[in-house]
Amino acid sequence: DAGVTQSPTHLIKTRGQHVTLRCSPISGHKSVSWYQQVLGQGPQFIFQYYEKEERGRGNFPDRFSARQFPNYSSELNVNALLLGDSALYLCASSLGQTDGTQYFGPGTRLLVL
Amino acid sequence: GQQLNQSPQSMFIQEGEDVSMNCTSSSIFNTWLWYKQDPGEGPVLLIALYKAGELTSNGRLTAQFGITRKDSFLNISASIPSDVGIYFCAGRSYGGATNKLIFGTGTLLAVQP
Repeated sequence: DAGVTQSPTHLIKTRGQHVTLRCSPISGHKSVSWYQQVLGQGPQFIFQYYEKEERGRGNFPDRFSARQFPNYSSELNVNALLLGDSALYLCASSLGQTDGTQYFGPGTRLLVL
Repeated sequence: GQQLNQSPQSMFIQEGEDVSMNCTSSSIFNTWLWYKQDPGEGPVLLIALYKAGELTSNGRLTAQFGITRKDSFLNISASIPSDVGIYFCAGRSYGGATNKLIFGTGTLLAVQP
């Protein structure tokens, strides 16, 4: 069975631009969470979506938004990119809304110049 | 962002040695997870713990959910070169309505053949 997939694998943008990252969860999983991991730190929670609705949001500005589609895949959008948005963006899927066990994808490496 | 206290920060050991690392939190968790992350990749789930006092093994790995619900440890026995990587603990808060995980600061493990 396929694990969590993410696209693209790498992305280079300039300040002020917009970016869209995509995630497909493990088949049968209905919850998708997004995390940001800057170099040298553990992942930080950005959003959780379950059944197409936002169920949780971390301490990130409104420039960050996300949505989940009927097939449970998800997009993370970041507007007005800043240099500090450079990071590895990770998607994690789980069966349910409060099922703590999460499986991560390979991530999208975003570099903002 | 919020991170759990994880120690040691790094370990440099000889192949065949046993390894022990731990994670502490100021708040109670109902789930503890241990992940391994290789450079440029997403975290891979090693062990999931759901009950205070629970001791779970996965091959040469053993992890325990502390009875206070505020700590967890991971042991690796008879280390091999492929154990090299960064190990993260992660916890999910008790009673939360989301799947938000809080990660530790990570333990870098280097194994010399």
